[in-house]
Amino acid sequence: KNQVEQSPQSLIILEGKNCTLQCNYTVSPFSNLRWYKQDTGRGPVSLTIMTFSENTKSNGRYTATLDADTKQSSLHITASQLSDSASYICVVSRAFNDYKLSFGAGTTVTVRA
Amino acid sequence: SAVISQKPSRDICQRGTSLTIQCQVDSQVTMMFWYRQQPGQSLTLIATANQGSEATYESGFVIDKFPISRPNLTFSTLTVSNMSPEDSSIYLCSVEGTGPAEQFFGPGTRLTVL
Repeated sequence: KNQVEQSPQSLIILEGKNCTLQCNYTVSPFSNLRWYKQDTGRGPVSLTIMTFSENTKSNGRYTATLDADTKQSSLHITASQLSDSASYICVVSRAFNDYKLSFGAGTTVTVRA
Repeated sequence: SAVISQKPSRDICQRGTSLTIQCQVDSQVTMMFWYRQQPGQSLTLIATANQGSEATYESGFVIDKFPISRPNLTFSTLTVSNMSPEDSSIYLCSVEGTGPAEQFFGPGTRLTVL
């Protein structure tokens, strides 16, 4: 069973609307959580990183939240643009230098005009 | 951040053949990683490649099937040997970053095996 579960698997939204993606994890111990954006035909690119002591982190129109007690994170996209169409992957690590990361399967977001 | 390129970007291969994927980084890095990304599934680490030593493979992956070379600090290759349709996937290389548990990923190689 994957230790990082994401929902929904995919979603379609209209340009200008907001959406929220969910990530639940069971990875333990926990060091940090990153959200990556993967455009079609490209590798994942980090959007945000949060440690266990952080509750929220923003990167432009992307805002990530973390509840380390319930082991849940969310990524909120505000005023979506066509360029936001991509897969968003939640990645959890156990330690600062941990290279064996735990990946979610991703949520595919499609923004339509 | 590191700039990573991969060759080929995509290929269609026949069953039983082998394909070598190249990964080039624009700076020297100690650790390079190879991943497989199957449709609808999470990235799976195949192996870790350090320069000057043999690659370390994860459970379920073996050197005979996925031989890896790491001749210097900016380059690595992954070979997918004796391919079957089940090997159809995206293969990505990555390198360690400077942030906590940070990795930078290449664009990936989309492999289709007929």
